[in-house]
Amino acid sequence: AQTVTQSQPEMSVQEAETVTLSCTYDTSESNYYLFWYKQPPSRQMILVIRQEAYKQQNATENRFSVNFQKAAKSFSLKISDSQLGDTAMYFCASRNSGYSTLTFGKGTMLLVSP
Amino acid sequence: DSGVTQTPKHLITATGQRVTLRCSPRSGDLSVYWYQQSLDQGLQFLIQYYNGEERAKGNILERFSAQQFPDLHSELNLSSLELGDSALYFCASSVGGAGTGELFFGEGSRLTVL
Repeated sequence: AQTVTQSQPEMSVQEAETVTLSCTYDTSESNYYLFWYKQPPSRQMILVIRQEAYKQQNATENRFSVNFQKAAKSFSLKISDSQLGDTAMYFCASRNSGYSTLTFGKGTMLLVSP
Repeated sequence: DSGVTQTPKHLITATGQRVTLRCSPRSGDLSVYWYQQSLDQGLQFLIQYYNGEERAKGNILERFSAQQFPDLHSELNLSSLELGDSALYFCASSVGGAGTGELFFGEGSRLTVL
């Protein structure tokens, strides 16, 4: 079974600063996928970034990047130049290639202040 | 807009009652997933359908059932409702049934059981 752990229930950052959200996971599979989803107050789940485990290069999407440490089973999200609109709950999730279930962590509430 | 449509957005009902939540997946997506989000349990996978057939089952109670129809829309039926069933129920869809792609989420159906 997969498990995903987010150890930071809440974080805060000021506008324009950089923040890193932590995530660790556990899986016995060799091929899997990792995701960060964002859930703003509107409650819509929005995909932020994805990483394929077989790719060593860290994924990047504009201001969002990940630090994928496969041996350590760590998958942190870095948000650069934080904006007020980044305020949301962020969920780390994993999905094995041969299975359908997307397993989520408990989430980290990020508050961006002016 | 993810392209996944869920109705109703809000639902208030009493204990012991039965409700049906509806989901229309993105055009072209064959898989539909149901998740329950509650404060204490986080995001829990309930069940997945792929092209009309049940593909995976998670922590779904026996009081709950789901199906996917030939037009690919899905319904989640919740019966003998209890206070603890109050939660946000998400539907998500993806193109395939295996774990290669991300899930696209609807806005959720907020169920309140009084």
